[in-house]
Amino acid sequence: AQKITQTQPGMFVQEKEAVTLDCTYDTSDPSYGLFWYKQPSSGEMIFLIYQGSYDQQNATEGRYSLNFQKARKSANLVISASQLGDSAMYFCGQNTGNQFYFGTGTSLTVIP
Amino acid sequence: DTGVSQDPRHKITKRGQNVTFRCDPISEHNRLYWYRQTLGQGPEFLTYFQNEAQLEKSRLLSDRFSAERPKGSFSTLEIQRTEQGDSAMYLCASSVRGSSYNSPLHFGNGTRLTVT
Repeated sequence: AQKITQTQPGMFVQEKEAVTLDCTYDTSDPSYGLFWYKQPSSGEMIFLIYQGSYDQQNATEGRYSLNFQKARKSANLVISASQLGDSAMYFCGQNTGNQFYFGTGTSLTVIP
Repeated sequence: DTGVSQDPRHKITKRGQNVTFRCDPISEHNRLYWYRQTLGQGPEFLTYFQNEAQLEKSRLLSDRFSAERPKGSFSTLEIQRTEQGDSAMYLCASSVRGSSYNSPLHFGNGTRLTVT
C-alpha cells in the first residue's frame, strides 16, 4: 500500500521565487524519519534534507526547509530563491527503521 | 568513501534471458536496498538486507527475482526469464552501520535494463 503521497505531479516556479512541494505520509510507528531527494535528468538520487519524528523544530539545509506538521502527517519541502538548476524530480521518502518508501514524485520546472 | 557502485550501467537483453546486476555499497554501511524505478515514477521498494540477512521482500517481487548479499558486502540482483515489463532502472542504495529511522539512503547511479 502506498504510504507516501505527493499530489503535485508537476510544478512551475519563477526563478528567485520560493516554492512548496507537498508530501503526506501514513504510519503508525512512533519513530520515523522523513527525507527529500532530488533526481535531476541525469538520474542520480541526491539527498537534500531530513526530519525526525521527534524533532521539535523544522529542518533547514541552505535553501531547503521542511515544513513538518506532525498532527497532519505532512512534510512539505520549501525551496527558497529558486535557481534554474533546481529543475528536477523531487521525491519524499519515509524511513521507519524497517522500511524506506518513496512517493511518486513532483517534477519541478524553474522558469527564467 | 567511493560511493555506491552499480554494474553494469546499461543492460539490453532479449525476453526470456536471465540477467544479473551487482551493487557495491559504501564499505561501512550495513544496510543495502534494491529499488526499481520506471519513467515518471518514484523508486519502488524491492528488497533490503542488513548485513547478509535479507529482511524484507516486496510482495510485488515475483519469484523470477532473487537477491543475495553473501558475506554482507556486495549484492546481486538476478532476474530470470526476463519480460518486457521488467524494463526499468534498478537502483541500489545503502545506509550506515546501525541504521535506524534517521539514516538517509545513499544511492548508486542505477542499472538501466531494456528487455526487447
